[in-house]
Amino acid sequence: KQEVTQIPAALSVPEGENLVLNCSFTDSAIYNLQWFRQDPGKGLTSLLLIQSSQREQTSGRLNASLDKSSGRSTLYIAASQPGDSATYLCAVTSGYGGSQGNLIFGKGTKLSVKP
Amino acid sequence: DTEVTQTPKHLVMGMTNKKSLKCEQHMGHRAMYWYKQKAKKPPELMFVYSYEKLSINESVPSRFSPECPNSSLLNLHLHALQPEDSALYLCASSQGGVRDGRFYGYTFGSGTRLTVV
Repeated sequence: KQEVTQIPAALSVPEGENLVLNCSFTDSAIYNLQWFRQDPGKGLTSLLLIQSSQREQTSGRLNASLDKSSGRSTLYIAASQPGDSATYLCAVTSGYGGSQGNLIFGKGTKLSVKP
Repeated sequence: DTEVTQTPKHLVMGMTNKKSLKCEQHMGHRAMYWYKQKAKKPPELMFVYSYEKLSINESVPSRFSPECPNSSLLNLHLHALQPEDSALYLCASSQGGVRDGRFYGYTFGSGTRLTVV
């Protein structure tokens, strides 16, 4: 059974710091990995999607890497801002995408960026 | 249009009420999902519709009844709920397969905050 773990559970940093959020999964047979952001009481906003054949994806100050063989992904946030404060969720799709695949979520990392 | 729209945003209902949650997308996605999320927990899958047919029911109690009238619309009918059903209900969609050799991921709505009193 696929399990996804995110470390740390919570992180507090001063504004401007670069930071790394970690995600690990037990079964390397994933189809893709997706990072989401969730603000309190809100829905999920997709940040980055990495196909299983890819090693990394970048969007603005965000960079996500994927190492399938070791079952790890990292989300790098450069020059953090208070507006980055949110919970970050890592999710993997095992097997074929779409209806055949089910998103397996980690428990998230709650990030707080202090001004 | 790249959004999943959920209505209402907030809902308070009594245990004897019948209500419905609505989810709509116009991205041409053919798979749609209902997730339930309790406070400080990750989302948990409830139902999956693929090409308007129910393909996965994660042993959800019958007081939750999903419906997919067409490829753009997904409903969740609620009846005789319990206070422990209070949660954030999230709808998501995906393309339902691979396009150009790629899977483009899942798009989530902003959720319906449900309170059962």
